[in-house]
Amino acid sequence: GNSVTQMEGPVTLSEEAFLTINCTYTATGYPSLFWYVQYPGEGLQLLLKATKADDKGSNKGFEATYRKETTSFHLEKGSVQVSDSAVYFCALSNKAAGNKLTFGGGTRVLVKP
Amino acid sequence: GAVVSQHPSRVICKSGTSVKIECRSLDFQATTMFWYRQFPKQSLMLMATSNEGSKATYEQGVEKDKFLINHASLTLSTLTVTSAHPEDSSFYICSGRARGGETQYFGPGTRLLVL
Repeated sequence: GNSVTQMEGPVTLSEEAFLTINCTYTATGYPSLFWYVQYPGEGLQLLLKATKADDKGSNKGFEATYRKETTSFHLEKGSVQVSDSAVYFCALSNKAAGNKLTFGGGTRVLVKP
Repeated sequence: GAVVSQHPSRVICKSGTSVKIECRSLDFQATTMFWYRQFPKQSLMLMATSNEGSKATYEQGVEKDKFLINHASLTLSTLTVTSAHPEDSSFYICSGRARGGETQYFGPGTRLLVL
């Protein structure tokens, strides 16, 4: 079956630091990959996505590249802000699973001024 | 675009009562809606998938008589927690997906506290 593994948090950074959150997956076929962000007390917001190998998703300074050879979709941001403090979820979907989302466990990021 | 709303945002009820949560897609037609449950500091657990006009499909271990789902229109799905008990206290999140689409758009969530 499908599974998503992402690094456990919390990740604590200073403002303007570089952020990487690792995400690897197991899936049949060619899944689509997503990063969602959840701010405190809120639902999930789609941050970025990639639908095929070597695609790069980007939004709000965040980037992730779909690496089929390493089955990874690591999230990066070059200079974080306090407002980036949130929980980040890596997820995948594929037809084999009825296009349902399979989530990783989430990584809490705390950015300090 | 692709906005999903939920109502109420939070609800407190007494044990034994039923609670209805609404999920609406505001600017697209959500032919498929999903209901998730999230415990504190944990990931989302899919409870059920509903297609407009059809009965919901529940994930293993989720009681369909406990969590009633109705998806009567392309913009509205409801989750009713029947005879709620304290262990049903949780954060419930819905999402919608358009026909032929791949991306799910999530609502802001409803926090349920059963006393």
